[in-house]
Amino acid sequence: GQNIDQPTEMTATEGAIVQINCTYQTSGFNGLFWYQQHAGEAPTFLSYNVLDGLEEKGRFSSFLSRSKGYSYLLLKELQMKDSASYLCAVRDHNAGNNRKLIWGLGTSLAVNP
Amino acid sequence: ETGVTQTPRHLVMGMTNKKSLKCEQHLGHNAMYWYKQSAKKPLELMFVYSLEERVENNSVPSRFSPECPNSSHLFLHLHTLQPEDSALYLCASSQVGTSGGFYNEQFFGPGTRLTVL
Repeated sequence: GQNIDQPTEMTATEGAIVQINCTYQTSGFNGLFWYQQHAGEAPTFLSYNVLDGLEEKGRFSSFLSRSKGYSYLLLKELQMKDSASYLCAVRDHNAGNNRKLIWGLGTSLAVNP
Repeated sequence: ETGVTQTPRHLVMGMTNKKSLKCEQHLGHNAMYWYKQSAKKPLELMFVYSLEERVENNSVPSRFSPECPNSSHLFLHLHTLQPEDSALYLCASSQVGTSGGFYNEQFFGPGTRLTVL
């Protein structure tokens, strides 16, 4: 079947580094997305990985290992504004046209001073 | 601002009411999506439209009726809803590539918080 697992909650300290993991099981993997969602707001795109390795974008990096069905989002130099929910989503090409996007429940990150 | 607007932002309706949610995207995208977000549940895809044609309908009850009159506008018509339909309804848009890939980077609207009494 199709499944995505990520921790429900995490806490970290301002200025620190935090890693949010995501494991997935899909029949036809075709890309993994990370989105950030602040409370009461829309999800916003953070990163996209389709090949193995690390994608770096400023303070945020995302890693993918397709053989392990595993990704992580790395947030460096944490700021209070990084307190949000982080959603992992996997695209599964099912019946063509990349029509399936499976979402995780999200990881609620609290950054403390 | 993501370039996707939704109205109203909040809606309270009785089970016998009929209402509509509106979404507009100003990004020139060619695909639009309706999602339902409930507490402690993953985002649930409801409908996908590409170039005004519905290409995905994930077994959504008929009390939800989508409409896409053009590539910039998307509506969700609601009638005889149930209390369990109370949720945040999100609209999103994306650009489908020439190879036909949906779910590329999506831009979400702020959502409509719906409460059904």
